[in-house]
Amino acid sequence: GAGVSQSPRYKVAKRGQDVALRCDPISGHVSLFWYQQALGQGPEFLTYFQNEAQLDKSGLPSDRFFAERPEGSVSTLKIQRTQQEDSAVYLCASNWREGLNEQYFGPGTRLTVT
Amino acid sequence: AQSVTQPDIHITVSEGASLELRCNYSYGATPYLFWYVQSPGQGLQLLLKYFSGDTLVQGIKGFEAEFKRSQSSFNLRKPSVHWSDAAEYFCLLSGNTGKLIFGQGTTLQVKP
Repeated sequence: GAGVSQSPRYKVAKRGQDVALRCDPISGHVSLFWYQQALGQGPEFLTYFQNEAQLDKSGLPSDRFFAERPEGSVSTLKIQRTQQEDSAVYLCASNWREGLNEQYFGPGTRLTVT
Repeated sequence: AQSVTQPDIHITVSEGASLELRCNYSYGATPYLFWYVQSPGQGLQLLLKYFSGDTLVQGIKGFEAEFKRSQSSFNLRKPSVHWSDAAEYFCLLSGNTGKLIFGQGTTLQVKP
């Protein structure tokens, strides 16, 4: 497709459930980023991939969060044993080369943990 | 430490009036700065960016921003606001790896 796509767009999970959020970056984009946007806040960095390599995961809030990009294209963000504080919009972004450049954002997945 | 501050959480302007959204940054070297806009139900869209060179940057939709190193600022301006400009605006700083550091955002409301 022409842009970054994310699925599902909305996810409701009961506390304790595992969830998996998918990101399809723009074809050919080398870098992929995940951000978490809590209600009323600016997005915060979670993790960064260059191709299939996860180069920075310093923003992952706990070991319940795990991200992968096994073939250097699609990425999945997995949250195990979800907690209410995980409720947020999860944004994926990509750009066509590593390092500095503007990022193209997907529409986000809104996760609500009840 | 790297950070971005948007002092105004919410701004209301009348349609046709001028607009300035403030952004201050903290960064140890020459910053790479961006403004993005987020409309309800839409993804973040790039308005403009500053990497180097001319400190007055032109963007889409009639927006411009001026980089002022002495004031550590990168304020966004538009001479005449349209109702469709109502959205949330984020100022961002790019770190060394390309990781983006967001400000808190400014919500713009446009009065008819």
